Amino acid sequence: GAVVSQHPSRVICKSGTSVKIECRSLDFQATTMFWYRQFPKQSLMLMATSNEGSKATYEQGVEKDKFLINHASLTLSTLTVTSAHPEDSSFYICSANGPNQPQHFGDGTRLSIL
Amino acid sequence: AQSVTQLGSHVSVSEGALVLLRCNYSSSVPPYLFWYVQYPNQGLQLLLKYTTGATLVKGINGFEAEFKKSETSFHLTKPSAHMSDAAEYFCAVSGILGNQFYFGTGTSLTVIP
Repeated sequence: GAVVSQHPSRVICKSGTSVKIECRSLDFQATTMFWYRQFPKQSLMLMATSNEGSKATYEQGVEKDKFLINHASLTLSTLTVTSAHPEDSSFYICSANGPNQPQHFGDGTRLSIL
Repeated sequence: AQSVTQLGSHVSVSEGALVLLRCNYSSSVPPYLFWYVQYPNQGLQLLLKYTTGATLVKGINGFEAEFKKSETSFHLTKPSAHMSDAAEYFCAVSGILGNQFYFGTGTSLTVIP
C-alpha cells in the first residue's frame, strides 16, 4: 500500500543549527502534505499545509521564518527548523494525500536540541 | 469549524476486559471520523475510519467504532484487551475532502496483566 517515509527518524544537534526533515510519498503523488508537531503526552498540532508548487499555509502562531517548508515536487516536502533552540525539541510528523489517496502519516522525527 | 474531544486522557483495563475509548466531535459539515494508534516514538497507524454508509465500522486488531450522529460520538471499542493494545489512541475528524485533520488530545491505554 501507499507509504509515506520520513527522514531522519531521530536527530540530535546543537542549539543554533538548522535541521532539515524530509517527507516522501513513496508510491503516489502527494498533492498536499501536512506538518504536525507533537509535544510529549500531547496531541498533534497542525503547523502548516503545503501544496506542491506553492507556498505553505501556516497555522496561527507558527513562525514561517522559523519553520521553512518546501514542497517542490509531488513526492517530497521538507521542513527546515532554522536556528533551532531547545524549545524546538519535539516530535514532528508529516502526512500526505493525493488524488484518490487518503491521508497517510509518516513515522515521525524526534528532534532534540541540546 | 471542527473539533474533537476525547474524554479520559488515561484509561486502564485488565487484560481480556472490554476497551472503551470515548470520542465526541463537533463539525459544521458531514464529518469523516478516524481512530489512530500511536506507539512510543512512532507515527500514527490508522485503526479505522468512518466516511459514509454503515455506522458501525470494523478496523484492525479487533477494534470497532460506531458513528452516532445524534450523540455526535465515535467511541472506539474492543471486546477483549490484549497487552499489545497498550498505546496512545487519537480520534480525528476531517471534512469530506479528507484534507485537514483535527485531532483529539489522545487517550493513553494501559492494559494490566
